[in-house]
Amino acid sequence: GAGVSQSPSNKVTEKGKDVELRCDPISGHTALYWYRQRLGQGLEFLIYFQGNSAPDKSGLPSDRFSAERTGESVSTLTIQRTQQEDSAVYLCASSLRERGGNQPQHFGDGTRLSIL
Amino acid sequence: AQSVAQPEDQVNVAEGNPLTVKCTYSVSGNPYLFWYVQYPNRGLQFLLKYITGDNLVKGSYGFEAEFNKSQTSFHLKKPSALVSDSALYFCALNFAGDYKLSFGAGTTVTVRA
Repeated sequence: GAGVSQSPSNKVTEKGKDVELRCDPISGHTALYWYRQRLGQGLEFLIYFQGNSAPDKSGLPSDRFSAERTGESVSTLTIQRTQQEDSAVYLCASSLRERGGNQPQHFGDGTRLSIL
Repeated sequence: AQSVAQPEDQVNVAEGNPLTVKCTYSVSGNPYLFWYVQYPNRGLQFLLKYITGDNLVKGSYGFEAEFNKSQTSFHLKKPSALVSDSALYFCALNFAGDYKLSFGAGTTVTVRA
């Protein structure tokens, strides 16, 4: 498809397990972002990738969270030893690289993560 | 402190009436401002943005927004609301060279038939 694709759409797991979330950006989009959306709240920035530059990890809430992206392709967000407070919708977005940073971000439908 | 504020958690209007969703910001400099809409169980969809120039910005689905520097506001408007406009609306900002978006907490819009 032409949009940002995320998988799985829903994930239910037990506390303490590791989870891996996948994001496939729009082809040609060099910038990729991960956000977390807790119930009834706005979006919380997690991490930003731009091409082969070092990612901006300033939003990752703890060292249990990590993300990878190879070049300008798929990204995975990994949460180790999940906790109940990790329950949220994890949204991925991509955008064109633009010098001024004013390109709109295009979002996937998210992964709804529930930790039992 | 949150840099983007959406003072209303909920907005309720009748179909055909004007719709306004408020957004104010509290940062110095010249931010880029964005509006996004989120339908249930979906990601955010871009509506419009203000970068520079004309203070009135037109976007998708008949929406527009007015940038007011003196009031540090960027309110979203639609002259005649539709039931299908019922959704969650987010205001966001960033700055030149900073790709991170800061989002408001969102406003739930309900348009009744």
